[in-house]
Amino acid sequence: DAGVTQSPTHLIKTRGQQVTLRCSPISGHKSVSWYQQVLGQGPQFIFQYYEKEERGRGNFPDRFSARQFPNYSSELNVNALLLGDSALYLCASSQGVTSTTFGSGTRLTVV
Amino acid sequence: GENVEQHPSTLSVQEGDSAVIKCTYSDSASNYFPWYKQELGKRPQLIIDIRSNVGEKKDQRIAVTLNKTAKHFSLHITETQPEDSAVYFCAAIIQGAQKLVFGQGTRLTINP
Repeated sequence: DAGVTQSPTHLIKTRGQQVTLRCSPISGHKSVSWYQQVLGQGPQFIFQYYEKEERGRGNFPDRFSARQFPNYSSELNVNALLLGDSALYLCASSQGVTSTTFGSGTRLTVV
Repeated sequence: GENVEQHPSTLSVQEGDSAVIKCTYSDSASNYFPWYKQELGKRPQLIIDIRSNVGEKKDQRIAVTLNKTAKHFSLHITETQPEDSAVYFCAAIIQGAQKLVFGQGTRLTINP
């Protein structure tokens, strides 16, 4: 049984560009959350989706958006990239709060 | 909103000794407290968790204690081994909020 899969694993973008990160949850998990982890800090909540609906949003600008598809996979989009967006982006899937499992993340570098 | 403070930021112990990491949370409505271990370049992995209706939980060398009155919880690792070296994060969540709030992390180093 595959865990949470994220793609790509690494990405380099220039300032002002747009990026799309992808996540496939564990089979049977209907909830997907996105977290940003800046080097040396704990993960910060960005979004949570359940059954294709946004259920929560963290303190991030409107440049960040996400969506969930009928197969429960999800995409995170970031527009107008800034240097400060450089981070590890983690996707987590869960059936309930106590079964949250993280993917290996996408490391985004903005230059 | 919820805020989680974690201490210490770095911890170095001799192999075989115990390690304790402490966290405090601000929102008394928080009712689930997981601990994650993150090795360099890898994803956070759940190592133990505790619900607010339990005061202590143990899994082999790892234990977590919760004091709801003081709003703090702690991770205890006994008989530490080199493979315990990693960054450890505590987190808190309010039931229904589906949003994990993480502490700042503790870099644990086990010295042989």
